[in-house]
Amino acid sequence: NAGVMQNPRHLVRRRGQEARLRCSPVKGHSHVYWYRQLPEEGLKFMVYLQKENIIDESGMPKERFSAEFPKEGPSILRIQQVVRGDSAAYFCASSPQGQGFDEQYFGPGTRLTVT
Amino acid sequence: AQKVTQAQTEISVVEKEDVTLDCVYETRDTTYYLFWYKQPPSGELVFLIRRNSFDEQNEISGRYSWNFQKSTSSFNFTITASQVVDSAVYFCALSDTNAGKSTFGDGTTLTVKP
Repeated sequence: NAGVMQNPRHLVRRRGQEARLRCSPVKGHSHVYWYRQLPEEGLKFMVYLQKENIIDESGMPKERFSAEFPKEGPSILRIQQVVRGDSAAYFCASSPQGQGFDEQYFGPGTRLTVT
Repeated sequence: AQKVTQAQTEISVVEKEDVTLDCVYETRDTTYYLFWYKQPPSGELVFLIRRNSFDEQNEISGRYSWNFQKSTSSFNFTITASQVVDSAVYFCALSDTNAGKSTFGDGTTLTVKP
């Protein structure tokens, strides 16, 4: 399967724990986007990364959230000290050129539940 | 700022009916891209179509068709002869030319009853 891989698919964390979500883009894609989907809502942009660089993090909460896309390995979305409001589906998408006309290939999402 | 509005929160039809999902967008960009995605109950996002702002031709793909009208900032999606398998949440999205990040509408939940 050459598509976007996300793991884990489901993640349960207690309040105060850390959540680490992984995204492996389509092979050859160097642009990654993270989106969050709260229950009954659409996807909201969080952050756009290119290899080793954060290009746009305008949608990221100021605290507790961070993202990286290292030279080697998957992109990681990290949520520290999770709270119940962080419960959502987190989708990763990749594109070949990072421009508007690119189709973004979405992963299956990680469903985070904070108890 | 970009905005996408899908005014229809939920639509319910009976199999074989035609159904149109509305999408209205706002952007200051002169060049932009519009998308439709399907999210079935399994939760993944399925890409359906991409349209750029300079191409106002309507498009048909099987039972799916799209009507892009720049004058009204609308990009509507019609399913002809709907089927139960069409039941899903459908999202309209808009992206700018530079960064490619997309702004999504809140989605329309389509239920097709047998």
